[in-house]
Amino acid sequence: RKEVEQDPGPFNVPEGATVAFNCTYSNSASQSFFWYRQDCRKEPKLLMSVYSSGNEDGRFTAQLNRASQYISLLIRDSKLSDSATYLCVVLNAGNMLTFGGGTRLMVKP
Amino acid sequence: NAGVTQTPKFRVLKTGQSMTLLCAQDMNHEYMYWYRQDPGMGLRLIHYSVGEGTTAKGEVPDGYNVSRLKKQNFLLGLESAAPSQTSVYFCASSYDGTGAYEQYFGPGTRLTVT
Repeated sequence: RKEVEQDPGPFNVPEGATVAFNCTYSNSASQSFFWYRQDCRKEPKLLMSVYSSGNEDGRFTAQLNRASQYISLLIRDSKLSDSATYLCVVLNAGNMLTFGGGTRLMVKP
Repeated sequence: NAGVTQTPKFRVLKTGQSMTLLCAQDMNHEYMYWYRQDPGMGLRLIHYSVGEGTTAKGEVPDGYNVSRLKKQNFLLGLESAAPSQTSVYFCASSYDGTGAYEQYFGPGTRLTVT
């Protein structure tokens, strides 16, 4: 079983739609959680951290459910520029990141 | 600031050839990392370094060697390339261990081994 699992998609949504991705992690001792964004043929970049209480950054909301070991990312009012692959990332002991395989989002006009 | 740069951007090797990938960062970061990214597999850590002169193995170190002689540079070597090493290689850096969650990535090197 992969340590961090994501639905690869693609999720095809129209502009303005709300879309949500989930991610599950297997290591219950994992400490911190993040979402990275990777545009096609580009490098990954940190999008946002994920806190137990949930956190919001503009149109993006991230949630963590430690009991069920899953993380979610909600995007409201999708824009064409949101088209990318979203990587679920877990920070483990030793301060190493473990990346999920990514969920591809395509926002259509 | 250039951030993290990688050389070369593309390379085609024949099986058995060797090469070195160069990563440079100008942010004075302590930690540096080499990952490979394959379709559906996510990024996997090859080797990393927590400071000048130090290196450590990651998840998939076999077939690779690294060196960090200067704080700003992290080299990844393939001594005898194999088709299984066809991948996109990303270098990254972070300020230190506590800041490891925010890694800054280079643009990647696309390597094909025939």
